[in-house]
Amino acid sequence: QSALTQPASVSGSPGQSITISCTGTSSDVGGYNFVSWYQHHPGKAPKLIIYDVSNRPSGVSNRFSGSKSGNTASLTISGLQAEDEADYFCGSYTTSTTVVFGGGTKLTVL
Amino acid sequence: EMQLVESGGGLVQPGGSLRLSCAASGFTFSSYWMHWVRQAPGKGLVWVSRINSDGSRTNYADSVKGRFTISRDNVKNTLYLQMNSLRAEDTAVYYCARDGGYGSAYPYSWFDSWGQGTLVTVSS
Repeated sequence: QSALTQPASVSGSPGQSITISCTGTSSDVGGYNFVSWYQHHPGKAPKLIIYDVSNRPSGVSNRFSGSKSGNTASLTISGLQAEDEADYFCGSYTTSTTVVFGGGTKLTVL
Repeated sequence: EMQLVESGGGLVQPGGSLRLSCAASGFTFSSYWMHWVRQAPGKGLVWVSRINSDGSRTNYADSVKGRFTISRDNVKNTLYLQMNSLRAEDTAVYYCARDGGYGSAYPYSWFDSWGQGTLVTVSS
């Protein structure tokens, strides 16, 4: 199973909104509503921020939102804050019943 | 507070073996599928293996099948990954992660808690 495709980096200024894309195929992202997103500050434990395309776990800010269209899922972060600077990974259920992840996107808050 | 703490990483020669452990606390360990996920230097996350709540069902990524063995001890609340015939391409930070489904007969597609990882380096 090939990794999902994410942009290597995105950036934005405090208060702005950014969107990170995650592109797969009909065998993963496009075939199921089982896309998740994780925030990862290097050296720390990854944190689940979105599951099942658009659901937020308890305690996750509503500034994080997820969506999907066809084979591409998206994570939007609104009202960017300095603490949002991190790596972001998407993950998706696949036809082989396992999970495939994206290569990760480094978010820089300018 | 829920916590996952990995240990057992280190430097090993190609062809060698290593056993990783993941100590769980703060939740009912025996009610969850558990997973290992790895991240090679500068690369993305890769799912490695999973085990169901009672240890009777396991699955592996093709890249580690036949070389790695996942197991668990629900008395000690600990997850393990026995890694044999290690290769340079197995070099990565290994994370244990809790499945998103509580008491589920099937694994979910997301992981709601992760450890901080343990680094495995395979090199001569």
